[in-house]
Amino acid sequence: NAGVTQTPKFQVLKTGQSMTLQCAQDMNHNSMYWYRQDPGMGLRLIYYSASEGTTDKGEVPNGYNVSRLNKREFSLRLESAAPSQTSVYFCASSERIALNGYTFGSGTRLTVV
Amino acid sequence: GESVGLHLPTLSVQEGDNSIINCAYSNSASDYFIWYKQESGKGPQFIIDIRSNMDKRQGQRVTVLLNKTVKHLSLQIAATQPGDSAVYFCAGRAAGNKLTFGGGTRVLVKP
Repeated sequence: NAGVTQTPKFQVLKTGQSMTLQCAQDMNHNSMYWYRQDPGMGLRLIYYSASEGTTDKGEVPNGYNVSRLNKREFSLRLESAAPSQTSVYFCASSERIALNGYTFGSGTRLTVV
Repeated sequence: GESVGLHLPTLSVQEGDNSIINCAYSNSASDYFIWYKQESGKGPQFIIDIRSNMDKRQGQRVTVLLNKTVKHLSLQIAATQPGDSAVYFCAGRAAGNKLTFGGGTRVLVKP
């Protein structure tokens, strides 16, 4: 089925460890996004890529980096994980910015201990 | 700054009744709004959208109302079913073409 695929679904890291969250979409969408979701905070934009080859900071970019590897893939990297980065991370894509909204992946639940 | 928020964090509704979820936004430049449904353990799913040049839009069992004068939108779910139990988010688009999401309202459907 067409959609947004995120890996892994669950991850536990120790403080200071690094990891990369993977995201791929097969809908030929131009724009891709990374959000984090914390209780009571809604979805907050970390980084986005309006089109292949471009990336921009969102609302909460500190502690993260991204790579738009190609049109399909957009990865999120935590270089040195901190407990404050414990969250659920969602990747999303859209044909262009939000005409019919975004298609979301199923999320990655990350715990930093 | 732009913010999109919700009035009620939790809404309990009897099965078969209508549900109304409210959302306030702060940026009068927002031109497009979306409602999402998020079930436990899943990503948000698109429900319905509305442009700022409209004040009402209907879908299957759902209606979104937009009042630009008071910067308020609502989602009405008719004949609420157990499968409607979820968290509902509103989102608004303004400058930079990015969506800003509200904090979410949990809808609990009682049998």
